[in-house]
Amino acid sequence: SQQGEEDPQALSIQEGENATMNCSYKTSINNLQWYRQNSGRGLVHLILIRSNEREKHSGRLRVTLDTSKKSSSLLITASRAADTASYFCATDPSGSRLTFGEGTQLTVNP
Amino acid sequence: DTGVSQNPRHKITKRGQNVTFRCDPISEHNRLYWYRQTLGQGPEFLTYFQNEAQLEKSRLLSDRFSAERPKGSFSTLEIQRTEQGDSAMYLCASSLEGRGADTQYFGPGTRLTVL
Repeated sequence: SQQGEEDPQALSIQEGENATMNCSYKTSINNLQWYRQNSGRGLVHLILIRSNEREKHSGRLRVTLDTSKKSSSLLITASRAADTASYFCATDPSGSRLTFGEGTQLTVNP
Repeated sequence: DTGVSQNPRHKITKRGQNVTFRCDPISEHNRLYWYRQTLGQGPEFLTYFQNEAQLEKSRLLSDRFSAERPKGSFSTLEIQRTEQGDSAMYLCASSLEGRGADTQYFGPGTRLTVL
């Protein structure tokens, strides 16, 4: 079963705008990761935030984590058409396997 | 390219046939994972190895599925007597225990279609 839930399921924006995706999870975690998946391809790791961290940045990506609310958000600033993809959050409640949400489909229109 | 590789990339088979997929992890990684992903869903964990030992198996891994990692390097996933419900993308990932172990690096996947 899926532990995480992404919100929204689909998001369509114009190039240059910011995109925010949210993730909620159910159990305690060691860390939370975000992955990107282009249509029909494998997953690309974007960023990992540990349970004792509240915010992390990587290039145009900003991730926040609120363990009290069991939620995380991924912000992509100044979006580009190439950012069009599905974005998944994943947690590792057992320290090995990853448990993924159902993903947010982001479309960035040129 | 030193990333995770998977072969074949696509497999079409008839119901009842056996199929085998191969995963070559990043060379120094001692952990290897298999996931399955159906359309519109996130990946679901199947099993994982640390070196050659299979440490965890999901309930999704029925007795028709078997995975091996005989020398602690590449891994194979075999599905016997395939069913239409086995149609999915099979993803392999690897990681290095102890340093950056939390980050799993994924291969491009093998897309299985069972007719």
